[in-house]
Amino acid sequence: AQKVTQAQTEISVVEKEDVTLDCVYETRDTTYYLFWYKQPPSGELVFLIRRNSFDEQNEISGRYSWNFQKSTSSFNFTITASQVVDSAVYFCALSEASGYSTLTFGKGTMLLVSP
Amino acid sequence: NAGVTQTPKFRVLKTGQSMTLLCAQDMNHEYMYWYRQDPGMGLRLIHYSVGEGTTAKGEVPDGYNVSRLKKQNFLLGLESAAPSQTSVYFCASSYPGQGVFEAFFGQGTRLTVV
Repeated sequence: AQKVTQAQTEISVVEKEDVTLDCVYETRDTTYYLFWYKQPPSGELVFLIRRNSFDEQNEISGRYSWNFQKSTSSFNFTITASQVVDSAVYFCALSEASGYSTLTFGKGTMLLVSP
Repeated sequence: NAGVTQTPKFRVLKTGQSMTLLCAQDMNHEYMYWYRQDPGMGLRLIHYSVGEGTTAKGEVPDGYNVSRLKKQNFLLGLESAAPSQTSVYFCASSYPGQGVFEAFFGQGTRLTVV
C-alpha cells in the first residue's frame, strides 16, 4: 500500500526566512509520481509540481525548490525568502503509475508566515 | 474556461437526508475523482471514474454512491447522510496519457450534517 507522511503539522516562520517542508513516501511500485499542492486560506487546491520516479533532478522555480531523493524516499519542498502570501496548507501526494492517477495525500503542513 | 465546477458550494443536511453533489469539467478529461478533506486527515479518495459509465471505489467509499452518465459530469450521492460525512468534498479530473498528470480540482463543497 502507498503512504505519504508529512511529519510537520504546522510551521511558523517570519517573513524572509527560508523554510523546508518534509515529505516521505512509501510505495512498492517502481514507477510513480510525486506532487505538491498548495491550499491557501481561500480553500482551493493549487498544483505546484509533478515529478516522476525516474527524474531525480532537483527543480527550482523562483523562490520554490524541490529535492527528490529516492534513496531516502523523500520529496522535500523549500521556500526561500518566505512571504506572507506563502501562508497556506501544503500537501504532498503520491500516484502510482498503475493507479489511474489516483492520489494518496499526506496530512498536510500548515505554513504560517508572519510579517 | 471554467475547469472543474462543483455544485453546490455549501450545504447543511439533517441526519438521514439525501443529496447529490454535482461535478462538471469542460476539459474533456477521461478521469474524474471525488475526495473528502477532514481536519488533520489530508484528502482521501472516495470514488473515481476512468471513463463514461465506469466507476470504482477509493479508500473511503462507504455511505456514498457515484454515477458517470456523461463524460463531463461525475455525481456523488449521499443516500442517508450521517454526521460523520460532515466534510469538505473536492472533485477533480485528469487526463490519461503516458504517465500520471496533475489533477485539476474544483473549488470544494462544504457539507455539514446535523
